Amino acid sequence: EIVLTQSPATLSLSQGERATLSCWASQSISSYLVWYQQKPGQAPRLLIYDASTRATGIPARFSGSGSGTDFTLTISSLEPEDSAIYYCQQRNNWPLTFGRGTKVEI
Amino acid sequence: EVQVVESGGGLVQPGGSLRLSCTASAFTFSNYAMNWVRQAPGKGLEWVSCITYNGDRTYYTDSVKGRFTISRDNSKNTLYLQMNSLRAEDTALYYCATYVQRNSDFDYWGQGALVTVSS
Repeated sequence: EIVLTQSPATLSLSQGERATLSCWASQSISSYLVWYQQKPGQAPRLLIYDASTRATGIPARFSGSGSGTDFTLTISSLEPEDSAIYYCQQRNNWPLTFGRGTKVEI
Repeated sequence: EVQVVESGGGLVQPGGSLRLSCTASAFTFSNYAMNWVRQAPGKGLEWVSCITYNGDRTYYTDSVKGRFTISRDNSKNTLYLQMNSLRAEDTALYYCATYVQRNSDFDYWGQGALVTVSS
């Protein structure tokens, strides 16, 4: 099973600041990584697929990068509505796995 | 509007069974693999199971193998999760979601069905 390690567990920043979220895979997953945003009481929302492609309707301040084992989600300038938990998920191997999440507080 | 709607959740005793359903609309259900993902109260996301577009292959996380069975009826646009020998640790909100491995943002989730395993 591929283990995804997300760091940090919690990120506390101010509006307008840059957020950098990391996701490391225990073995190479090529670019088969997605990022989700989840707000309380809501289903997860796809932000990034194929490690770096923004999903439809996702603001340009969200970007993803990386391949192999190291991945990053960057929010270039935080908005209040970005307060949420962010999860990475690998789609390279079965079983599919999620990271434990990074909580972003603004 | 694309929708997936879960149903069938509830309270069940340890060792009991429950079947979840997920009804899809406004897209060609038979073209897409489907996932079940769960989230225990206050915890993170855990992938549970996947079924291919035509049902010929299924995948499970280790903790549910032999107890849960995923299936689909493309004529009814419906996904199922039969859950047997339920344990307290299966208590969670169960989401169904479309699944495409790569090159696509076709990713739709329901609002979840709550399963509570307790005596």
